[in-house]
Parts: sequence; structure tokens; C-alpha cells
Amino acid sequence: EPEVTQTPSHQVTQMGQEVILRCVPISNHLYFYWYRQILGQKVEFLVSFYNNEISEKSEIFDDQFSVERPDGSNFTLKIRSTKLEDSAMYFCASALGYTDTQYFGPGTRLTVL
Amino acid sequence: GENVEQHPSTLSVQEGDSAVIKCTYSDSASNYFPWYKQELGKGPQLIIDIRSNVGEKKDQRIAVTLNKTAKHFSLHITETQPEDSAVYFCAAADRGSTLGRLYFGRGTQLTVWP
Repeated sequence: EPEVTQTPSHQVTQMGQEVILRCVPISNHLYFYWYRQILGQKVEFLVSFYNNEISEKSEIFDDQFSVERPDGSNFTLKIRSTKLEDSAMYFCASALGYTDTQYFGPGTRLTVL
Repeated sequence: GENVEQHPSTLSVQEGDSAVIKCTYSDSASNYFPWYKQELGKGPQLIIDIRSNVGEKKDQRIAVTLNKTAKHFSLHITETQPEDSAVYFCAAADRGSTLGRLYFGRGTQLTVWP
């Protein structure tokens, strides 16, 4: 069964450093999402992406964040200058259409020291 | 924006018993309510969903009910098994005005004891 994959599973970085989280969505899906979950808090929407541009972003998704689909298979989330409060589990999801089921990857745990 | 509340945060049941998890939402425009199960080391996986034009949906041992007037929806698992142990998340979305954005509850850690 097709699945969403994410790398790395765990990333440790120093405050102020740039990180790139990678996702490979399901191959025929057209809509891509990033969510995050800070420990003990709700899973929060960050951004949705369709047709090579951002469809919607939350108030969390400020200028420090960017997303890209650099080729036909990868979908990346970049955090330009990480802060301590960026420490969280980051989930990528993909869907065939925006009214279809979102399939989630296993997540990347980001730890900012 | 939408606010989804989920209760309880933890739930322990004996194998064979039923488990019920409840969620409320605030935005009457929400019209899609999925439930996700997250096992250790994995991402959330959809187990069942319901749209606002139906009140109940069943899939084998799992059922979801929706009360639009009261703005709450519930997950029911019957004849629980140890492999049902996981974190369960409810979510809500307005499929009309947002392009798939899901609002999640905090999750319920379900433990089924053999």
C-alpha cells in the first residue's frame, strides 16, 4: 500500500540554524500539507500546497518557514533560523484532492537546542 | 477559527469492553469529521470519517456519531482488543471554504488490557 515517507525521523539542531524536513508524498496525490505537534499540545496545521504554490497557511507559518516541491517526488519544509519553540513533531500529509482523505507520514521529531 | 475539544485524554478498558471518545467543535461551518489512530512510531492513520449530511457511520467494530445541533461527535469502539491500544485523534474541517485544513483535538490515549 502506498505511504507517505519522511526523513529524517529525528533532527537535532542548534538555535539559529536552518533545517530542511523532507517528505515523499503518495505519487498520484496533488495536495500536500505540513502539520506540527508540540509535546502535549494539539496537532496544528501549518500550510497546504497545490499546483506548486501555497494554498493556505496558518498564523504559525511566518517568514521563517517555506515549502517547496523541488522535483516530482519530494515536498520540503524549511525553517530558516530555528527557535527553541520550533521543537516539535512535524507531520507531512498528502491527498488526492482537498476533499479526500489525508494520509500522514510517520513524522520528523525536531529538537532545537 | 475552529476549536476542537476531545475527552477523555486517557482511557483504559478491559479487552472486550466498549470505548467511547467524545469531541466537540465550535464552527458550525465544519462539515467533515475524521478520526485518526496513531500507533507508536507511526503517523496518524484514518480509521473512519463522517460528513455532516449523515448522523452515524459504522465500519465493523468502529462507529462514529454526529450531532450537528450540539456540535459534537463521538467514536465508539466495541469489543475492544489489545491492538486497539493507540492514540486517537478527532478532527474537523470545513470542506467548503478551506482547502483541506484539519483542526485536531488533543488526542486520547486508549489502553486495552488483556
